[in-house]
Amino acid sequence: DQQVKQNSPSLSVQEGRISILNCDYTNSMFDYFLWYKKYPAEGPTFLISISSIKDKNEDGRFTVFLNKSAKHLSLHIVPSQPGDSAVYFCAASVTNAGEAFGDGTTLTVKP
Amino acid sequence: KAGVTQTPRYLIKTRGQQVTLSCSPISGHRSVSWYQQTPGQGLQFLFEYFSETQRNKGNFPGRFSGRQFSNSRSEMNVSTLELGDSALYLCASSTWRSYYGYTFGSGTRLTVV
Repeated sequence: DQQVKQNSPSLSVQEGRISILNCDYTNSMFDYFLWYKKYPAEGPTFLISISSIKDKNEDGRFTVFLNKSAKHLSLHIVPSQPGDSAVYFCAASVTNAGEAFGDGTTLTVKP
Repeated sequence: KAGVTQTPRYLIKTRGQQVTLSCSPISGHRSVSWYQQTPGQGLQFLFEYFSETQRNKGNFPGRFSGRQFSNSRSEMNVSTLELGDSALYLCASSTWRSYYGYTFGSGTRLTVV
């Protein structure tokens, strides 16, 4: 049973607009959450993370929101740029355990 | 500093054979994790090693095994290969606990024919 789910396999937005990527999880023991970005033929690259004790973390154009009661995580990219086009993976972990990943969402930012 | 290095980049094996993949983590990183990525399956966690000890293991059959050496380099072995083992195998390293995220290698693309 998959513990981390990204229900949208793809998302397309216009350059300059906001991209919102969503992620749901089932394990209430997860204590931190991460987003990774992956380009073709490369390994995933860490983007941003958030501890379960917070509900928001911001880093430049990227903001991650955590709603623990809903077991929901989202990544906002504002403004979106064509170079943001990639596969985005949501991940969650319990301390000292491996990370559980979602299936990924392919983001396409159109010029 | 050098990133996570995985060798080989591409590999073609025949069903029934065994294969060993190698991962050299970033210098100073003691935690190494292995993931399998297949189309539509996301990243599936295989196992994690820390200081030569397997700390966590995912839901994969015993044909998948790994080890970590004293210099933190890690190997992953798959025996009796099946067609369904064809995937991108990714290695990731971190200092100890990955609050700042893992650093991934570019992966080894394994094709089983």
